[in-house]
Amino acid sequence: NAGVTQTPKFRVLKTGQSMTLLCAQDMNHEYMYWYRQDPGMGLRLIHYSVGEGTTAKGEVPDGYNVSRLKKQNFLLGLESAAPSQTSVYFCASSYPGQGHNQPQHFGDGTRLSIL
Amino acid sequence: DAKTTQPNSMESNEEEPVHLPCNHSTISGTDYIHWYRQLPSQGPEYVIHGLTSNVNNRMASLAIAEDRKSSTLILHRATLRDAAVYYCILRTYNQGGKLIFGQGTELSVKP
Repeated sequence: NAGVTQTPKFRVLKTGQSMTLLCAQDMNHEYMYWYRQDPGMGLRLIHYSVGEGTTAKGEVPDGYNVSRLKKQNFLLGLESAAPSQTSVYFCASSYPGQGHNQPQHFGDGTRLSIL
Repeated sequence: DAKTTQPNSMESNEEEPVHLPCNHSTISGTDYIHWYRQLPSQGPEYVIHGLTSNVNNRMASLAIAEDRKSSTLILHRATLRDAAVYYCILRTYNQGGKLIFGQGTELSVKP
């Protein structure tokens, strides 16, 4: 089983460039999430989605946009990349269950450097 | 969001039990206690979760205090592969199941 797949795994951007990170899950999960992790810190939630066509802001949403056009995919966009967005980005998905007792399944991360 | 407090780091010897503590004094009645771990250069991995009763699975045990203001993750026999950052997280009902990560406890395991 592939689980949660993130594309690309590594990327270097110049300040001001745009890009889209793709997250795909094959577990038919309803909920999907995007986190970022800076060195020596825990993960911080950027945006999340509780279903196809719906998204919501997390702790650190500024500078990012997301879309959930298909249930299995969750896209994270950087419209104008800034050095402060250099980080490791993780995608996760889960069943809704009762909403708060289902484990999240994480991808392996995308390492993004912005020069 | 309810917060948790964990020690920054802990050490253990291989094949010995490890008790990782977590304080969550502001926990509400509907918050689940979740534990995840993150191995170096990998995404977090679910370990265990519970509400009120102690829980066991193939990876670990979770002991929850009677007042639910603290919990302990127990690894019964630590292996070198258990060296990771362990996160204790309170997961709140009706908020899309999101996880709010703290700093976690970095566990090192000595041979």
